[in-house]
Formats: sequence, C-alpha cells, structure tokens
Amino acid sequence: KQEVTQIPAALSVPEGENLVLNCSFTDSAIYNLQWFRQDPGKGLTSLLLIQSSQREQTSGRLNASLDKSSGRSTLYIAASQPGDSATYLCAVRTFTSGTYKYIFGTGTRLKVLA
Amino acid sequence: DGGITQSPKYLFRKEGQNVTLSCEQNLNHDAMYWYRQDPGQGLRLIYYSQIVNDFQKGDIAEGYSVSREKKESFPLTVTSAQKNPTAFYLCASSIAQGITDTQYFGPGTRLTVL
Repeated sequence: KQEVTQIPAALSVPEGENLVLNCSFTDSAIYNLQWFRQDPGKGLTSLLLIQSSQREQTSGRLNASLDKSSGRSTLYIAASQPGDSATYLCAVRTFTSGTYKYIFGTGTRLKVLA
Repeated sequence: DGGITQSPKYLFRKEGQNVTLSCEQNLNHDAMYWYRQDPGQGLRLIYYSQIVNDFQKGDIAEGYSVSREKKESFPLTVTSAQKNPTAFYLCASSIAQGITDTQYFGPGTRLTVL
C-alpha cells in the first residue's frame, strides 16, 4: 500500500532563507508527483508536477526534484518570503483498485517570519 | 472567470441529519472528485466521477452519496450513517481521469456536527 510522508510537519524560518521541504513515498511505481500549496481554510493550488520520467521541474523560485528509486522528492524554495507561508502538500499518482488516483501526504506547514 | 465553486463555506449539522454540499465547475471538465481532509491527515478520496451519470466509490465512501446528473455539478450528501462527518471537504475537477491528471480544487466546505 502506497504511503506518503512529509517531514517536518511544521517549519518556521526567517525571511530570505532558502529552504527544502521533503516528501517520501513507499512504492516507486508512480506516474507523477505533484506539489500543492494550501492556504488556511482554502483549497489546493498546484505548484509543480513532475512526471515519473523527469528528475526536476522549476517554476520561479520553486524547484522540485524527484528520485523514484529512493522514493523521495524535495521542494526547494529560494529566498523565502512571508507570502510563502502556507501548507505544502505532495501527492503521488498511482494506479490502484482499477483506477488512477492521487495519494496525498499530510503536509508541511511553513511559516516565513518577516 | 473559470473555476470551481463550493457552497456553503461553513455548514453545521445536527446528529442524524443528512446534508448536501454543492460543487459546481465551469471548466468543461469531464472528471470530478470529492476529498475529505482531517487535521494531521492527507486528503482522502470519497467519490469520483469520470463522466456524467457515472460515479465510483473512492477509499472512504461509506456514509456518503453523490450524483452526477450534469457535467458541471457533483453534489455530495453526507448521510446520518457517516459516523464522524466533521471535516473539511474539497471538490476537484480535471479534464479527464488518466495517468496525468491536473486537478483543480474548489475553496472547500467546513462541516461541523453539533
């Protein structure tokens, strides 16, 4: 059974710091991995999607990497800003019980201090 | 503006009552999904629909029901059979369900049982 873990559960950093969020998954048979951002009491916004054949994706100050063989992905945020404060979730795309579905991690709650 | 709307934002239910959560999308997407989010847990799939008049159970369908009579609408009913319904409910949609499936999320409905 695929399990997705995100450590740490919460992180607090000063503004301007570069930071790395971690995501690990137990089964390497994934189609893609997606990173989402969730603001308090809101829905999810997709940040980056990495296909299983890719090693990384970049969007602005965000860079996500994927190492399928080790079951790990990292989300790198450069020069963090208070506006980056949110919960970040990763999700892996799998095929189980006859359907494609996303298995989500529990998230890392990030606070960037001004 | 294209997007997904959910209503109401907050919902309170007495024990033994059924309640229906609304989800509407104007993205012309075929696939729609309902997730439940609890503190400290990842999103869990309740039901999904790949096309009008068709829907499938997800991982935690017990105590819930759905309908898909129109492409743009996918309401979720939380029945009295759901033992612990207090949670944050998220609706999502995608062009079609497949290997690569970028899902767009609504703002969510927070349900509280009194």
